[in-house]
Amino acid sequence: AQSVTQLGSHVSVSEGALVLLRCNYSSSVPPYLFWYVQYPNQGLQLLLKYTSAATLVKGINGFEAEFKKSETSFHLTKPSAHMSDAAEYFCAVRRGSGGGADGLTFGKGTHLIIQP
Amino acid sequence: DAGVTQSPTHLIKTRGQQVTLRCSPKSGHDTVSWYQQALGQGPQFIFQYYEEEERQRGNFPDRFSGHQFPNYSSELNVNALLLGDSALYLCASSFRTSGGHEQFFGPGTRLTVL
Repeated sequence: AQSVTQLGSHVSVSEGALVLLRCNYSSSVPPYLFWYVQYPNQGLQLLLKYTSAATLVKGINGFEAEFKKSETSFHLTKPSAHMSDAAEYFCAVRRGSGGGADGLTFGKGTHLIIQP
Repeated sequence: DAGVTQSPTHLIKTRGQQVTLRCSPKSGHDTVSWYQQALGQGPQFIFQYYEEEERQRGNFPDRFSGHQFPNYSSELNVNALLLGDSALYLCASSFRTSGGHEQFFGPGTRLTVL
């Protein structure tokens, strides 16, 4: 079964500093990977997705992630943190391997704190 | 274009009761998935509906059931509520024939079981 592990339940960075949120996956098939963001009392918003095309994926709000098969990783980065980036971030992997839509398996989340 | 909508926003029930949550998918989407998000945790996949049938199911008991209507909207039903069912319930929609890889989430329904 596909799974993801997020390293670090809380990450604190200064405004303007690099953001790095870690995600490792386990999958018996080529994975489809996603990063979602959740602001307080809201649903999830897709930041970016990897679907076996380019290994470096650019998303919204200046975020990007690199798929590294050799390291089974899909870490999320942003060069310069902004106060508005403070939120909960979830890494997810598609559950199935066939065509069509599949449910997602999520990590436990990383709470990003931005220090002024 | 309305996104995914869910109702109600909040709900308070007591143990043993039954609850129905509703979801309207994003316009043009035909697949609806339901997730349970306990406090401080990531969402957990409950099940997915497409063409009015349950297509996939996560590790949830039969107390959790669902339905999809011809207009693609969906309901999640939970019977015999337990305290542990208290969570944010998220609905997500996607378009299956395009691969459905991108799921759009609604704001969720906060269920509290007393």
